[in-house]
Amino acid sequence: KQEVTQIPAALSVPEGENLVLNCSFTDSAIYNLQWFRQDPGKGLTSLLLIQSSQREQTSGRLNASLDKSSGRSTLYIAASQPGDSATYLCAVGAQGGSEKLVFGKGTKLTVNP
Amino acid sequence: DVKVTQSSRYLVKRTGEKVFLECVQDMDHENMFWYRQDPGLGLRLIYFSYDVKMKEKGDIPEGYSVSREKKERFSLILESASTNQTSMYLCASSLSVYPYTQYFGPGTRLTVL
Repeated sequence: KQEVTQIPAALSVPEGENLVLNCSFTDSAIYNLQWFRQDPGKGLTSLLLIQSSQREQTSGRLNASLDKSSGRSTLYIAASQPGDSATYLCAVGAQGGSEKLVFGKGTKLTVNP
Repeated sequence: DVKVTQSSRYLVKRTGEKVFLECVQDMDHENMFWYRQDPGLGLRLIYFSYDVKMKEKGDIPEGYSVSREKKERFSLILESASTNQTSMYLCASSLSVYPYTQYFGPGTRLTVL
């Protein structure tokens, strides 16, 4: 059974710092990996999706990488801002025709002014 | 932009009541999902629908049922609400073609007293 782990559970950094969030998964047979952002009490916003054939995706200050063989993904946030404070969730889609996602429990990021 | 809406942001019900949570998407997506999110447990899939009148159980279907009579609408039903169903409920939708990007609604915070 696929399991997704995100470490650390919480992270606090000063504004302007570059940071990396980690995601690991136990079964490397995935068809995609998606990073989401969730603000308190709100739904999830899709940030980046990496297809199984890709190694990374970029959007603005965000860069996500995928290493299927090692079962790892990272989300790199450059020049962090207080507005980046949120919980970041990683989710993987299993192969075999399933469209369902398995989620990690998230990393709560706080960027201090 | 894809829009997924949920009928209520906050809902308070009594134990034993029948509860309906409604989700509507406007992008003609085939797939729709219901999740619940609890602290320390992350997002867990309750039910998944891949077409009108078609459904599949997720990881925690006990105590819930679903209805999908129209493509754009997916309802989650709590037949007899219990206090352990107090949670944040999130609806999502996706196309049935790769890469199956999921789009989420804003969530419904349900409290069962």
